[in-house]
Amino acid sequence: DAEITQSPRHKITETGRQVTLACHQTWNHNNMFWYRQDLGHGLRLIHYSYGVQDTNKGEVSDGYSVSRSNTEDLPLTLESAASSQTSVYFCASSEALNYGYTFGSGTRLTVV
Amino acid sequence: KQEVTQIPAALSVPEGENLVLNCSFTDSAIYNLQWFRQDPGKGLTSLLLIQSSQREQTSGRLNASLDKSSGRSTLYIAASQPGDSATYLCAVKGNSGNTPLVFGKGTRLSVIA
Repeated sequence: DAEITQSPRHKITETGRQVTLACHQTWNHNNMFWYRQDLGHGLRLIHYSYGVQDTNKGEVSDGYSVSRSNTEDLPLTLESAASSQTSVYFCASSEALNYGYTFGSGTRLTVV
Repeated sequence: KQEVTQIPAALSVPEGENLVLNCSFTDSAIYNLQWFRQDPGKGLTSLLLIQSSQREQTSGRLNASLDKSSGRSTLYIAASQPGDSATYLCAVKGNSGNTPLVFGKGTRLSVIA
């Protein structure tokens, strides 16, 4: 069965370190998204991609970057981790404009 | 900028009760609306997707309605069960270009046996 997987499930890192969170989908979806979820803020969009070599900034993109070199993967990089980036990160994908989103299980990141 | 509001933020009901969760959005120019369920510490599970041309969608005991002109959607849960306890999230997709989903903050539902 097709799926969307995120790794790692949990990560603790130190302030200032570079961190990359992985997202891999086997749905062959063109559209992929990264959200973060925080108490009191709900889900907020970080970056998204509508195809290979396409990337776009979302609402809270500062301090994050993504690259899309193939259809299956959209890794999220924190250039220099900050305590404010402690959060749960969710990756999602969708087939096309009028289709719903499918979410991964999330990565819980703690920056100490 | 699209804003999505869900009221109430939390709801506790006895088992067997029918209930309604509300979602409102500020910009009625939407492409579709999606309801999700999230269990504690877990990811999001899609429940229902309503296209802008539709008025409602049903899946089992769940029924979601959409009134695009008034900027409202409701999720109706019939005969609630303790297993329905979760956070329910509403998200809308704007129709200007391929804009991503914008989420509400959710309604945390507790169904008491």
